[in-house]
Amino acid sequence: AQRVTQPEKLLSVFKGAPVELKCNYSYSGSPELFWYVQYSRQRLQLLLRHISRESIKGFTADLNKGETSFHLKKPFAQEEDSAMYYCALSFNSGYSTLTFGKGTMLLVSP
Amino acid sequence: DAGVTQSPTHLIKTRGQHVTLRCSPISGHKSVSWYQQVLGQGPQFIFQYYEKEERGRGNFPDRFSARQFPNYSSELNVNALLLGDSALYLCASSGTVATNEKLFFGSGTQLSVL
Repeated sequence: AQRVTQPEKLLSVFKGAPVELKCNYSYSGSPELFWYVQYSRQRLQLLLRHISRESIKGFTADLNKGETSFHLKKPFAQEEDSAMYYCALSFNSGYSTLTFGKGTMLLVSP
Repeated sequence: DAGVTQSPTHLIKTRGQHVTLRCSPISGHKSVSWYQQVLGQGPQFIFQYYEKEERGRGNFPDRFSARQFPNYSSELNVNALLLGDSALYLCASSGTVATNEKLFFGSGTQLSVL
């Protein structure tokens, strides 16, 4: 069965510091990987997906199939980046369901 | 665009009761998915419906059921409520059921079972 692991419940950094939110997955095939974010008092929303190979709000994520990882990175954290981040996996099952990790809370202090 | 809307926002029930949660997708979206989020965990997939047909079911007991209406809105029903059913129930809509499809989430219904 597929699984997504986010080893850190909480990551606390200072403004301007680099950020790396870790995500590892287990799935025997070729999954689609996503990062979803939930800001305070807002609904869960897509941040980025690996198929788009895009940078959103300065965040990037590279799929490493050898290490089965999809870590989220940003070179300089901003206070507005403080939020709950979920890594998620989807696979070719005929329907677009997501398997989520437990999430990492990112706190960026001034 | 109103986004995905869910009702009610909060609900309190007692063990053994039945509950119905409702979801309206974004206009033009034909797929609705339901997720359960227990405190401290990520959302867990329950059902997906597309064009009024069930397309996927997660690892949940038969007490959980859902349906999608001709206007693509959806209901999630839970029978014989247990304390462990207390959670935030999220609805998400999408245009298709492609594996890399972006999901749009509602704000959720917070269910408390006493």
